[in-house]
Amino acid sequence: GDSVTQMEGPVTLSEEAFLTINCTYTATGYPSLFWYVQYPGEGLQLLLKATKADDKGSNKGFEATYRKETTSFHLEKGSVQVSDSAVYFCALTSGTYKYIFGTGTRLKVLA
Amino acid sequence: EAGVTQSPTHLIKTRGQQATLRCSPISGHTSVYWYQQALGLGLQFLLWYDEGEERNRGNFPPRFSGRQFPNYSSELNVNALELEDSALYLCASSQEFKTEAFFGQGTRLTVV
Repeated sequence: GDSVTQMEGPVTLSEEAFLTINCTYTATGYPSLFWYVQYPGEGLQLLLKATKADDKGSNKGFEATYRKETTSFHLEKGSVQVSDSAVYFCALTSGTYKYIFGTGTRLKVLA
Repeated sequence: EAGVTQSPTHLIKTRGQQATLRCSPISGHTSVYWYQQALGLGLQFLLWYDEGEERNRGNFPPRFSGRQFPNYSSELNVNALELEDSALYLCASSQEFKTEAFFGQGTRLTVV
């Protein structure tokens, strides 16, 4: 079945460090891919998306490229801030009627 | 434009009781999804409604049920509550299948 695998956290970085959170997927057909962010005590917010191979989604300095050949959608940011501390979820929709989420990766950025 | 709204924000129930959670999607969105997020864990898919019909269901017992109304709002009912049902219940909506989903702030259900 369809699935999303994210790197385990927590990830702890110093402010201004480079961030990569790995995400790989298994899906039938041509899924749409998403990254969501959840700040403490809040719901999920859409961070970025990509709907076809080689698409690059970007928002607030975060980027992710839809790589069909490696079935990956890794999240990157060149310089993280303390305010980026949150839980990040990779997700996909495909031929089945549901969004499938990864287990989430907690990011902690230290000043 | 209003986002996805969920009510109540917090709900405390006793084991064996029933809980009803409500969700209003973004205007123009016809699909509504429900997820359970237990403490420290990821999102577990519960239900997906579209155009008033249940389109898909996650691996939850039948005491988890719901419906979608003609105005596309939705409610989730949990019968015979158990302690392990304590979690954050998130609702999301989208305009159509495979487009991005937008989430509400969630309902924190505590079963004592």
